[in-house]
Amino acid sequence: ETGVTQSPTHLIKTRGQQVTLRCSSQSGHNTVSWYQQALGQGPQFIFQYYREEENGRGNFPPRFSGLQFPNYSSELNVNALELDDSALYLCASSIKTGGETQYFGPGTRLLVL
Amino acid sequence: DQQVKQNSPSLSVQEGRISILNCDYTNSMFDYFLWYKKYPAEGPTFLISISSIKDKNEDGRFTVFLNKSAKHLSLHIVPSQPGDSAVYFCAAKARGSGAGSYQLTFGKGTKLSVIP
Repeated sequence: ETGVTQSPTHLIKTRGQQVTLRCSSQSGHNTVSWYQQALGQGPQFIFQYYREEENGRGNFPPRFSGLQFPNYSSELNVNALELDDSALYLCASSIKTGGETQYFGPGTRLLVL
Repeated sequence: DQQVKQNSPSLSVQEGRISILNCDYTNSMFDYFLWYKKYPAEGPTFLISISSIKDKNEDGRFTVFLNKSAKHLSLHIVPSQPGDSAVYFCAAKARGSGAGSYQLTFGKGTKLSVIP
């Protein structure tokens, strides 16, 4: 069974640029959630995707957007990067029905200069 | 407004003794609670969970206790081992904004150090 994978592992961007982060969900999981973890904080919910549609969103602006593909993999896109977007971005997959437990990938560390 | 609080940033315990990590929450709509362990440069790893209709769940060396009236849960690790040294996050699940969706709200974490 393959776990959740994310790419790239690290990324450096400059303010104003756009970034795309990728996630492959665990085998058999059809729901993907994205989280932002700033230094010294717990992960914060960005949004969740199910059946290729956004299905729940946290308190993040519209410049954070996503996609889910038919194979349940997902992308997180962030436009007009700001310095405060520097964080660890975590992807988690779960089984939609009764799947309270989310399984996390290793994360992508984004640094915005 | 922090809905899930872990008030101890760090905890040191001797190997073989009990580790107790605490978590408080404010939202009565949370219906499921989870503990995750995180090593540096890795994503959080699921450890143990408990439904809001239970007050205790045990899995090997790990036990989670839930006190709904106090809105408090704790994770007990007995006996503690050096490999348990990590950051532990408490998370709570509630319905999200989308139909059938749910989201996890995390505390800030407690760094556990188990001293050999």
